[in-house]
Amino acid sequence: AQSVTQPDIHITVSEGASLELRCNYSYGATPYLFWYVQSPGQGLQLLLKYFSGDTLVQGIKGFEAEFKRSQSSFNLRKPSVHWSDAAEYFCAVDNTDKLIFGTGTRLQVFP
Amino acid sequence: DSGVTQTPKHLITATGQRVTLRCSPRSGDLSVYWYQQSLDQGLQFLIQYYNGEERAKGNILERFSAQQFPDLHSELNLSSLELGDSALYFCASSVSGGVETQYFGPGTRLLVL
Repeated sequence: AQSVTQPDIHITVSEGASLELRCNYSYGATPYLFWYVQSPGQGLQLLLKYFSGDTLVQGIKGFEAEFKRSQSSFNLRKPSVHWSDAAEYFCAVDNTDKLIFGTGTRLQVFP
Repeated sequence: DSGVTQTPKHLITATGQRVTLRCSPRSGDLSVYWYQQSLDQGLQFLIQYYNGEERAKGNILERFSAQQFPDLHSELNLSSLELGDSALYFCASSVSGGVETQYFGPGTRLLVL
């Protein structure tokens, strides 16, 4: 069955530090992958997506993600984290019309 | 702002009751999805409609039903509510319902007491 794993439940970083959030997927065909962010009390905002082509994808708010088929991974990165990036981040795979989400990674940013 | 609207934002009700959640998709989007976010189950797909027709079904309970109207807005009906139905319910929309970006609304927070 298709699935998405986010191994880190909670990550804490200092403001200005780099960030990498891990995402591994299990999917038989070519995956269509997404990262969404959910700020407290808010809905889900799309950060970036991978459908095909260049495996390094740029998104909003300075985020990027790299698709690695050999590792079944789609890790999210940001070179310098801002306090406003504190939120919960969800990786998702499109399973023919519906999204399958990981359990999320909560990011805490210290000044 | 994604362009997807959901009402109400918050809903408090009692066990055994029935509620209706409403969603208006982005202008031009034909497909609507419903998701449930709870602490124990995470984010789970419930059901999808495309241009008024049910297209896909996920882990939706028999007590729950949905429909999409000719103006493309959608309603999710939850009946015989239980404490465990307390959750955040999201609506999302996309242009055609294939493999494409889904845009999410702000959600309706349901609390069953």
